[in-house]
Amino acid sequence: GIQVEQSPPDLILQEGANSTLRCNFSDSVNNLQWFHQNPWGQLINLFYIPSGTKQNGRLSATTVATERYSLLYISSSQTTDSGVYFCAVISGGSYIPTFGRGTSLIVHP
Amino acid sequence: EAGVTQSPTHLIKTRGQQVTLRCSPISGHTSVYWYQQALGLGLQFLLWYDEGEERNRGNFPPRFSGRQFPNYSSELNVNALELEDSALYLCASSHTEGRGPETQYFGPGTRLLVL
Repeated sequence: GIQVEQSPPDLILQEGANSTLRCNFSDSVNNLQWFHQNPWGQLINLFYIPSGTKQNGRLSATTVATERYSLLYISSSQTTDSGVYFCAVISGGSYIPTFGRGTSLIVHP
Repeated sequence: EAGVTQSPTHLIKTRGQQVTLRCSPISGHTSVYWYQQALGLGLQFLLWYDEGEERNRGNFPPRFSGRQFPNYSSELNVNALELEDSALYLCASSHTEGRGPETQYFGPGTRLLVL
């Protein structure tokens, strides 16, 4: 099956800093989503982005499907950005999302 | 529009017992996915239901089962609980089109502790 690798596994930032999270995948994808899991366990949709670029406030994402990677940009980070960021992809006709292992982000005040 | 709901929020059971977790999808969504997230780990796919049918299951033993009702809500049943079943169980709902689920929306999860 498809392999999904996220980097870095851990990230510690000072409030106000910018960061880039990466998701590499081993095959072409029909569907790619970014999620933020807050410290209480809730997964929140950030982007549905199988290709192209999207922006939502301080967050933006770019997926280059031909090169099999996606990037999530967080600008001017805030303590509320802390949590784990997951990338999930669907490839071929599986209909089953494969999740990466996540990037754990801690933002200090 | 109400989001995905799950019940109960927390549950404590002992080894060998059985548990039922419930999920109500977003109105209009026909697909429900169940995931297990053990402490500190990623999400492991458990089951996918669509239009009342089980469409796929992950690499879990048969004591993990479930069903989807005509109103598209779903139950996850776990029999003969083991200590390693302690985890956060997440439910997600979506539309499912020809290229797979468009966007998955997750519920708040059920935290299960097996003693």
